[in-house]
Amino acid sequence: DIQMTQSPSSLSASVGDRVTITCQASQDINNYLNWYQQKPGKAPKLLIYDASNLETGVPSRFSGSGSGTDFTFTISSLQPEDIATYYCQQCANLLTFGGGTKVEIK
Amino acid sequence: QVQLQESGPGLVRPSETLSLTCTVSGGSMSTYYWSWIRQPPGKGLDWIGYIYYSGSTNYNPSLKSRVTISIDTSKNQFSLKLSSVTAADTAVYYCASYNWNDGAFGPWGQGTLVTVSS
Repeated sequence: DIQMTQSPSSLSASVGDRVTITCQASQDINNYLNWYQQKPGKAPKLLIYDASNLETGVPSRFSGSGSGTDFTFTISSLQPEDIATYYCQQCANLLTFGGGTKVEIK
Repeated sequence: QVQLQESGPGLVRPSETLSLTCTVSGGSMSTYYWSWIRQPPGKGLDWIGYIYYSGSTNYNPSLKSRVTISIDTSKNQFSLKLSSVTAADTAVYYCASYNWNDGAFGPWGQGTLVTVSS
């Protein structure tokens, strides 16, 4: 099984800050990596697919990069509506989610 | 746009079988794979398995011995059965479409909380 390790598990940042979340796979997954945003009481929403492609309608302040085992998700300028938990998900071999990163406003 | 809605009992007794149904509207069931994902209270997401309209399935190895996912395309529904449940199976259960092309989930249902308790 492929394990996905996300860090940090939580972070606190100010509005306008650049926020970075990392996700590490236990083996090479090429670019088979997606990122989701989940707000409290809601289902997750796809933001980034294939490691770096922005889903239609998602603001351009969200971005993703990486390949192989190491991936990064970035919010270039944190907005109040970005308060949520973010998850990575690999699809190279079956399907596995990372543990999540809770983003809060400082 | 495809929409999904979960239905089923919110309370299941320990050792019994959890049964949920997802009703799909607004699209053809032959377009996607159809998946179940769960989230224990306050915890992360856990993929359970998926099914194609042909009936082919794939399951999370950690749950495989207890899970059955089935599909009824005539009713635009797919279902989850999880046997021998314990308190550890208490979770919000989501149904979602799974796109084989990008390996991503979406759209999702709103989720339904299933509590395992006597």
